[in-house]
Amino acid sequence: DQQVKQNSPSLSVQEGRISILNCDYTNSMFDYFLWYKKYPAEGPTFLISISSIKDKNEDGRFTVFLNKSAKHLSLHIVPSQPGDSAVYFCAATGANSKLTFGKGITLSVRP
Amino acid sequence: GAGVSQSPSNKVTEKGKDVELRCDPISGHTALYWYRQSLGQGLEFLIYFQGNSAPDKSGLPSDRFSAERTGGSVSTLTIQRTQQEDSAVYLCASSLTVASSYEQYFGPGTRLTVT
Repeated sequence: DQQVKQNSPSLSVQEGRISILNCDYTNSMFDYFLWYKKYPAEGPTFLISISSIKDKNEDGRFTVFLNKSAKHLSLHIVPSQPGDSAVYFCAATGANSKLTFGKGITLSVRP
Repeated sequence: GAGVSQSPSNKVTEKGKDVELRCDPISGHTALYWYRQSLGQGLEFLIYFQGNSAPDKSGLPSDRFSAERTGGSVSTLTIQRTQQEDSAVYLCASSLTVASSYEQYFGPGTRLTVT
């Protein structure tokens, strides 16, 4: 039973446009959500996070939105750049401190 | 080194052999985590360590998998009698403490191929 779902395996976006990466979760005990970025042959690196007490967190070109009632979060990248091309993992954690990851989405930003 | 390191980076082994994967966490990080990423799948949690003890082994897929950590630093993940379904990238991460598990730093992974 997947508790964190990234239903789209890939997304292709034109450089300069907005990328929207979606993530859904089922466990209502999750209270902290993160996005990780992964390049080939490298480990995932932390990108941005959001606590369940907030509905938005912004860091430069990256904004994460959380809709707790819908158990949905999204990562917006504006403007998208070719260097953003990578696999993006959504992750969630709760009281047990264990990170639960989604399957990831491959973002391709076309020059 | 400054980051989490793992060795080997690639390992090809024959079905039935045992393998050992090594992780060197960031110096001073007391929490260490092992994950597995199979083809087309997300990161699957295997086990974590707080110091040298492993409070949660629930993610280990079978009793062929074991892990240990000594001196609060290096950890080894051992897979006995490897099977083809064990082929995956094994990732290690560390965080300052378990309480800061939301801030995990990952190594580059070990790609294991069982033939």
